[in-house]
This record gives sequence, C-alpha cells and structure tokens, in this order.
Amino acid sequence: GQQVKQSSPSLTVQEGGISILNCDYENDMFDYFAWYKKYPDNSPTLLISVRSNVDKREDGRLTVFLNKSGKHFSLHITASQPEDTAVYLCAAGQGTGSKLSFGKGAKLTVSP
Amino acid sequence: EAAVTQSPRSKVAVTGGKVTLSCHQTNNHDYMYWYRQDTGHGLRLIHYSYVADSTEKGDIPDGYKASRPSQENFSLILELASLSQTAVYFCASSDDREEVFFGKGTRLTVV
Repeated sequence: GQQVKQSSPSLTVQEGGISILNCDYENDMFDYFAWYKKYPDNSPTLLISVRSNVDKREDGRLTVFLNKSGKHFSLHITASQPEDTAVYLCAAGQGTGSKLSFGKGAKLTVSP
Repeated sequence: EAAVTQSPRSKVAVTGGKVTLSCHQTNNHDYMYWYRQDTGHGLRLIHYSYVADSTEKGDIPDGYKASRPSQENFSLILELASLSQTAVYFCASSDDREEVFFGKGTRLTVV
C-alpha cells in the first residue's frame, strides 16, 4: 500500500494568505521528511526537509511541522504568492541515501 | 549546478516492442533512481542503484530492467512494452545528503 498519503489533491488560497499542505505516513522507521515542488512539464525540486529529531524547521516563508506520534507532517507557506502555484509532493525516507516514498501530490493555486 | 539529463523527452512505442530510456548525471552522485508518475499515483520507485554495475529493485520493478554501466549513466529497459507502462518516467540522482535531483522526465506512450 501507499506509505505516504496526501489526502487533499488540491487547495486554493488567496494571495497573501497561508497555504497548508498535509501528509500522513505509515512507516514508523521513516526518519527523513521532505517537500518537493513541481511545475508542469518540469522536474520536482526540493523545497525543504527535516529529520525526525526535530519537530519544526523554518526557511523563509516555509515551515515544516513534524508530528511523529501522529505520523503526520505539514508544509506551511506564509504570504502565499501566485508564483507558489504548483504541485507539491511530500516524501519520506529512512536512513542514509534517498530511496524516498512520495505522496500523490497536491495542486496549490494561489489566486491574486 | 546539479544536472540530470534524460533522453528521449518523449516517445511513442508499440506494444510488445523494446524501449530504452536513458539518464545521464553530471553531479558525481553515487545514487541513481528511476521513478514513474501516473495520474493519481504520485512518484513510484521502479529501480535504483548505489554504485556502478549494480542495480536494486524498487517498489514496482515488474516489467522493467535497469542498467548502470557507469556512475554517470543509468538506463531503464522495457523488454516488452505494454499499454499499462504508459506514464511519465523520472530519473534522479543523489548523494548521501538526501536531496534528490530529478531530470525533466520522459513521457512514454505505448500504443
């Protein structure tokens, strides 16, 4: 079965608002969690990642929250902008190397 | 800048035919991966490799073979292409610092 799940396939947010994307995982052994951004006909690129020894990581407008007991992590984008419109993929992995399991992706649309 | 180049970028193949997708990276990374993306499934790992001349099965290896003749090159081979293998295929590379760098993808249509 799918080890990483994104339950909401799409989200629309007004410009300037907060975008919240969610991801659930099944494997207790996952210790690495990441968010990738993908534009149409382009490569996924890493946005932000976190190891399981922290609950939160911030990078500019991006924050990842990790809830290990709930097997859940989320991406918060503050001051959302139209250029944030893209598909966001959550991913999780175990140990070194990057044999990641990905969610199905969620389409974020930021409307002006 | 890290670079992963896939060829071809798109291909139409006949059912039962042989298809080879090629990937070349200039990142000096040890790890390379092949993923496929289907609508409603996200990215799923087909094969991966940690070192030249060695490949490992991923989550959905059936119907696919992989070849890693050198650190820079990683191929995905469909010996007998089937309609169900119509998808977008992504090659990727990484080192042990976890960030994965993806190619732009190959759109394969099997008819």
